[in-house]
Amino acid sequence: AQTVTQSQPEMSVQEAETVTLSCTYDTSESDYYLFWYKQPPSRQMILVIRQEAYKQQNATENRFSVNFQKAAKSFSLKISDSQLGDAAMYFCAYNIASGTYKYIFGTGTRLKVLA
Amino acid sequence: GAGVSQSPRYKVAKRGQDVALRCDPISGHVSLFWYQQALGQGPEFLTYFQNEAQLDKSGLPSDRFFAERPEGSVSTLKIQRTQQEDSAVYLCASSLPRQGTNSYEQYFGPGTRLTVT
Repeated sequence: AQTVTQSQPEMSVQEAETVTLSCTYDTSESDYYLFWYKQPPSRQMILVIRQEAYKQQNATENRFSVNFQKAAKSFSLKISDSQLGDAAMYFCAYNIASGTYKYIFGTGTRLKVLA
Repeated sequence: GAGVSQSPRYKVAKRGQDVALRCDPISGHVSLFWYQQALGQGPEFLTYFQNEAQLDKSGLPSDRFFAERPEGSVSTLKIQRTQQEDSAVYLCASSLPRQGTNSYEQYFGPGTRLTVT
């Protein structure tokens, strides 16, 4: 079965500090893509960062970076210098590089940023 | 348009009513997806279109759910005889496989929150 697990329903971080959100997934496929999306109260899903499974180098986007461990099927998101605007639900997702490319999402982690 | 749009943003229906939810994808995007997001959960796949062809409807929960994209652009998700368990946010996403990049990220609309009373 293809599943995505986010074991932290909620996380808190002080403004300007660093926080790591965890994600594990289960798939028998070898070629796939991994994503982190942010969903603020407005419900608009916003892409934060993506990682191609065939790339060993971890993706980075400004204050956001991932720790991709393919053998362990782990894909954690690190947010550095946290800002109040980072507060949102964060969803980990992946899709297989064939077929429909539909996303499989985790259950999400609510991130609170404390001033 | 600049992004994916969905209408209405909110819909309240009495149990047993039919509803239609609209999605306008990003112009030129080939692929269109519908997801259902229950309260406190991650989105779950419902159906997928490539242009006007519905290639995957494995996620539709019952035969009361029907989706179409007749001209390969705008899509409508229809729910017949709504039930309370249909209450959720319905998200639409579009994507365009980019040649040579192998990046299949999806761009999401703001969703329609359906409440069945």
